[in-house]
Amino acid sequence: GAGVSQSPSNKVTEKGKDVELRCDPISGHTALYWYRQSLGQGLEFLIYFQGNSAPDKSGLPSDRFSAERTGGSVSTLTIQRTQQEDSAVYLCASSESNSGEKLFFGSGTQLSVL
Amino acid sequence: GENVEQHPSTLSVQEGDSAVIKCTYSDSASNYFPWYKQELGKRPQLIIDIRSNVGEKKDQRIAVTLNKTAKHFSLHITETQPEDSAVYFCAASKGRGNKLTFGTGTQLKVEL
Repeated sequence: GAGVSQSPSNKVTEKGKDVELRCDPISGHTALYWYRQSLGQGLEFLIYFQGNSAPDKSGLPSDRFSAERTGGSVSTLTIQRTQQEDSAVYLCASSESNSGEKLFFGSGTQLSVL
Repeated sequence: GENVEQHPSTLSVQEGDSAVIKCTYSDSASNYFPWYKQELGKRPQLIIDIRSNVGEKKDQRIAVTLNKTAKHFSLHITETQPEDSAVYFCAASKGRGNKLTFGTGTQLKVEL
């Protein structure tokens, strides 16, 4: 595609429900990141996928958070038993194989947990 | 792992003045240092980057300087304009195949 695509753009859920957020990176990009950004705050690193290597999960805040990347392309971030503090914008970014450096961000998913 | 610190957290300047944002990094093996700009409600976008083999890079009104010995790098914006108002993030990585670590961001406000 033309850019990194995320869906849904907005998600409202009730506390305790599970949610899935999707990221379609730019075709051919091997690196994929998930970040969380609370209102007016910085980029909180969640997880990093690079090619066929084991993902760097060091940023996941709890075991309620998980992510997978199928076929080296689409990624899904799953939050189980959502809490109000999970409310934030979840940003996905990808970068191409040769540089692994310049990140292209998606427009994010605004998650609101009521 | 890498730790990137960024200062100041907020910066207010008058239109036409210069703005400087500073970052320090912890891993001496880091060799790539980009800067991202995030306008209100928008996604972060790369505005300039520098690699460890150079000490300075310019692109019109913006420039980045790198001091490898001190492990710090800075973003310089000259002749600031209202459209420069945004949050700026610095970052560092060890290059290809390595994770990019971001600073905490600087909210820049350019006042008329």
